Amino acid sequence: DAMVIQNPRYQVTQFGKPVTLSCSQTLNHNVMYWYQQKSSQAPKLLFHYYDKDFNNEADTPDNFQSRRPNTSFCFLDIRSPGLGDAAMYLCATSRAPTGGSGDTQYFGPGTRLTVL
Amino acid sequence: AQSVSQHNHHVILSEAASLELGCNYSYGGTVNLFWYVQYPGQHLQLLLKYFSGDPLVKGIKGFEAEFIKSKFSFNLRKPSVQWSDTAEYFCAVTRTYKYIFGTGTRLKVLA
Repeated sequence: DAMVIQNPRYQVTQFGKPVTLSCSQTLNHNVMYWYQQKSSQAPKLLFHYYDKDFNNEADTPDNFQSRRPNTSFCFLDIRSPGLGDAAMYLCATSRAPTGGSGDTQYFGPGTRLTVL
Repeated sequence: AQSVSQHNHHVILSEAASLELGCNYSYGGTVNLFWYVQYPGQHLQLLLKYFSGDPLVKGIKGFEAEFIKSKFSFNLRKPSVQWSDTAEYFCAVTRTYKYIFGTGTRLKVLA
């Protein structure tokens, strides 16, 4: 089945130690998104790629970076994780930027990040 | 600030009870509206969506939602819930590329 895959499902890192989360998709969608979701809160968009164009949200900390080497893969890099970065990180895809066309986002299962 | 409000954070129902979860948004103009469900340990899945046309939208698993533009609302309903509907439900609104999510409603259905 076509889907959005995130690896690993659980990631433990140490304070200040760089970590990379991975997302891949078999949907051949043009847009890939990264969200941060903290406990009992709504998912918060960090950034998205529309093809190779990177779009950062204004309030996303510089500590968070992303790479999209090809259509299928997208990575979230946290350069120096702090305790406040512990959260669930969700990857999503859509055929086109949601909005005028009303395109739907498809979500992966998420990676739960723990920072010690 | 633009926002999406889900008024009920936790809801507990018995099987066969009717469900209505509220969702209100603060955007003006044209919006697209979604309800997603997240079952325990699983990813967010689309329940239904509204873009235009009939304001009463049917989704999967017997869910429906009604868009009331004058009230800026998009409430989710199900006439008779099942134990398997236990999950967290998120309302989302888009205007451009960006989903704005509500904080979610945790539904527990007692068998």
